[in-house]
Amino acid sequence: NAGVMQNPRHLVRRRGQEARLRCSPMKGHSHVYWYRQLPEEGLKFMVYLQKENIIDESGMPKERFSAEFPKEGPSILRIQQVVRGDSAAYFCASSPNTGGEGNEQYFGPGTRLTVT
Amino acid sequence: QKEVEQDPGPLSVPEGAIVSLNCTYSNSAFQYFMWYRQYSRKGPELLMYTYSSGNKEDGRFTAQVDKSSKYISLFIRDSQPSDSATYLCAMIPILTGGGNKLTFGTGTQLKVEL
Repeated sequence: NAGVMQNPRHLVRRRGQEARLRCSPMKGHSHVYWYRQLPEEGLKFMVYLQKENIIDESGMPKERFSAEFPKEGPSILRIQQVVRGDSAAYFCASSPNTGGEGNEQYFGPGTRLTVT
Repeated sequence: QKEVEQDPGPLSVPEGAIVSLNCTYSNSAFQYFMWYRQYSRKGPELLMYTYSSGNKEDGRFTAQVDKSSKYISLFIRDSQPSDSATYLCAMIPILTGGGNKLTFGTGTQLKVEL
């Protein structure tokens, strides 16, 4: 039973380029979350999606960042015109449900983005 | 003030010791509590998941929630060198229509020495 999958594991981009991070949730999970972990900081929520819907994007920067979870295929976190401050580990998590049991979130291995 | 406070450590203990890790929180709406273990440069691994107040045990791990004090704990019995990692507490408020985002503590770094 495969866990949450993320790719690429490491991504290097020059300032001004675009970064695309992919996440496939665990089998049977329809809820996807993205978190960012900056050096020496804790994990911070970015966005919560269900298939074809953004449910909560309160943690997303207003500019340059977008996320989607299409009907088919993985969830994508897209960062346009990257800057050095975007260098971080980006984690995806999934959960089977949203209420009571089944609310727990399982994390992928992360994508480490380095902006040069 | 942060919503969730966690002592960053590092906490160093001898093998076989009982480890106590703690978090305090300020938002009384938090109802779901989780503990994650994160090894260096890896993703967080879910250890324990509890709802509201009380205790939950799983193997060497016991999670404890005291909502009246806004205080949660994770106990590790018979600690092993392989338990050396960063331990993160995380919380979710009572659902109010889409509010499933986890709020994390900053993590406590644990080292179990031979």
